[in-house]
Amino acid sequence: EAGVTQSPTHLIKTRGQQATLRCSPISGHTSVYWYQQALGLGLQFLLWYDEGEERNRGNFPPRFSGRQFPNYSSELNVNALELEDSALYLCASSLAGNYGYTFGSGTRLTVV
Amino acid sequence: AQSVTQLGSHVSVSEGALVLLRCNYSSSVPPYLFWYVQYPNQGLQLLLKYTSAATLVKGINGFEAEFKKSETSFHLTKPSAHMSDAAEYFCAVSELTNAGKSTFGDGTTLTVKP
Repeated sequence: EAGVTQSPTHLIKTRGQQATLRCSPISGHTSVYWYQQALGLGLQFLLWYDEGEERNRGNFPPRFSGRQFPNYSSELNVNALELEDSALYLCASSLAGNYGYTFGSGTRLTVV
Repeated sequence: AQSVTQLGSHVSVSEGALVLLRCNYSSSVPPYLFWYVQYPNQGLQLLLKYTSAATLVKGINGFEAEFKKSETSFHLTKPSAHMSDAAEYFCAVSELTNAGKSTFGDGTTLTVKP
């Protein structure tokens, strides 16, 4: 069974540009979560999608947005990139109700 | 609101020694509790979970954790450390009423000395 897949693995962008990160959950998982893991700041909750709807949002500015597609894959968009957006972005999926996440390997975003 | 505190950002043990990683949580409603492990340049892997069944939970790789409501704790233990256990460990909590979102602790880096 394929795990949670994220693409790209690495992404380098210039300040002010937009970044798009993609995630495919485990087959059968309807919930997708996005977390930011910045150096020294731990895992910060970004977004939770379930059945195509945004269910919860962390304390991030509106330039962080995303969506979930009918096949449950998800996309995270970060507009107007700032240097402090440089981080590892982790996607996770779970069955509805969160009995534990399965994480992808992450996308390393570097903003220069 | 839910929160997690991991006591000790770094723990060092000798190979074969007991591993004890501490986690205390705060939750206004009955929680789900989790431990995850992260190896360098990888995502997190679920070690074990407490979802209101047995208070002593066994996970992968010989780890276990005990839910103690009176102490609001969920400490992770392993009787005998192995070199391959060296990694960063995260405790996480989610609330039944907001079951989709987990809040993570800051992590504990475990070093295993030969």
